[in-house]
Amino acid sequence: EAQVTQNPRYLITVTGKKLTVTCSQNMNHEYMSWYRQDPGLGLRQIYYSMNVEVTDKGDVPEGYKVSRKEKRNFPLILESPSPNQTSLYFCASTLAGVGYEQFFGPGTRLTVL
Amino acid sequence: AQKVTQAQTEISVVEKEDVTLDCVYETRDTTYYLFWYKQPPSGELVFLIRRNSFDEQNEISGRYSWNFQKSTSSFNFTITASQVVDSAVYFCALTNTNAGKSTFGDGTTLTVKP
Repeated sequence: EAQVTQNPRYLITVTGKKLTVTCSQNMNHEYMSWYRQDPGLGLRQIYYSMNVEVTDKGDVPEGYKVSRKEKRNFPLILESPSPNQTSLYFCASTLAGVGYEQFFGPGTRLTVL
Repeated sequence: AQKVTQAQTEISVVEKEDVTLDCVYETRDTTYYLFWYKQPPSGELVFLIRRNSFDEQNEISGRYSWNFQKSTSSFNFTITASQVVDSAVYFCALTNTNAGKSTFGDGTTLTVKP
């Protein structure tokens, strides 16, 4: 089944404790992105990647890191989480050149205390 | 910079009414795609429709139709004969195909009452 998976789905952590949210897609898509969704603010792009080893900042990259060492994986790293990073996070992948619609993972709800 | 504006924060209609969701965008790029996505109460994000910047032909797909007007930078989405299951948050989005950058609007919450 074609899908984007994210883990964990739910995470409660404390300020300053490094964490990684994994994202994996099995559709051989070139583009991948991370978004955060906050009430009334829609989805804001954190980082995106157009291919392996190619990443770029979105609109809200501060406090986040990403890497794209393999085509299928695009982990989101919070090295020192803060309460303002409490949010719902979505990973997405896109097949470049054909429509560009994004396929989203199920979301990760992160709470930073 | 690119921007997507959905002026309607919330819309409430009665079942079987037609409803149009408005979307206005800004971009300096000449090559881009516009999208509508749906987020039902269960939380997943689902692709509905797309239009590329070179194709202003309006289309109808089932109960969905869309009106893309480059002259006014608008990409409006209409649901005909709305149903309770259409209740969701709808997002308009723009993707720059050369750079991969995507921008979403803040979303419109549609409530369809029986």
